Amino acid sequence: AQSVTQPDIHITVSEGASLELRCNYSYGATPYLFWYVQSPGQGLQLLLKYFSGDTLVQGIKGFEAEFKRSQSSFNLRKPSVHWSDAAEYFCAVGGNNDMRFGAGTRLTVKP
Amino acid sequence: SQTIHQWPATLVQPVGSPLSLECTVEGTSNPNLYWYRQAAGRGLQLLFYSVGIGQISSEVPQNLSASRPQDRQFILSSKKLLLSDSGFYLCAWSRVAVGTDTQYFGPGTRLTVL
Repeated sequence: AQSVTQPDIHITVSEGASLELRCNYSYGATPYLFWYVQSPGQGLQLLLKYFSGDTLVQGIKGFEAEFKRSQSSFNLRKPSVHWSDAAEYFCAVGGNNDMRFGAGTRLTVKP
Repeated sequence: SQTIHQWPATLVQPVGSPLSLECTVEGTSNPNLYWYRQAAGRGLQLLFYSVGIGQISSEVPQNLSASRPQDRQFILSSKKLLLSDSGFYLCAWSRVAVGTDTQYFGPGTRLTVL
């Protein structure tokens, strides 16, 4: 079965700084990869997804992620973080009638 | 456009009491439906998914059950709640099979078992 690891439980960045959230997956075939964001007490919203094609995918709110097969990674990036980006971020891997989420990374944005 | 509703938003129940959480989807037909539980610091755990009326797949053995009495209605139940059932329960839907399509999440139900 597939699995997802998000190594960073909590990250703090200053507003305007760049951001990278790490995601590593384990899956035997080409995975379906997702990043979701969750504001406190809310459901999850899709930021972006990768199914095939260009390995650099653009999402909403200025986020992007790059699929690196050789590293089994799908890291999320944003060049300049805004205070409204403070939330919890989940990486997920799907395929083979299964979907696995990482434990999440909580992002705090300092003014 | 499609919307997904969950209720109640919050629930406090004593140990041993029954549970019924409801989820409905509007604006689409034949959705795949999912129940997830989110415990603090542990991400999302897929509990059940359904590809059609009366078709339920269970991912984790437990004292919870799910039913899909109508195409766009998904219910999570328990006959006797345990303390360990506390958590944030999320319903989601997708157009196609689990794992290969975007899932759209409801606002969630916060369940506290005392």
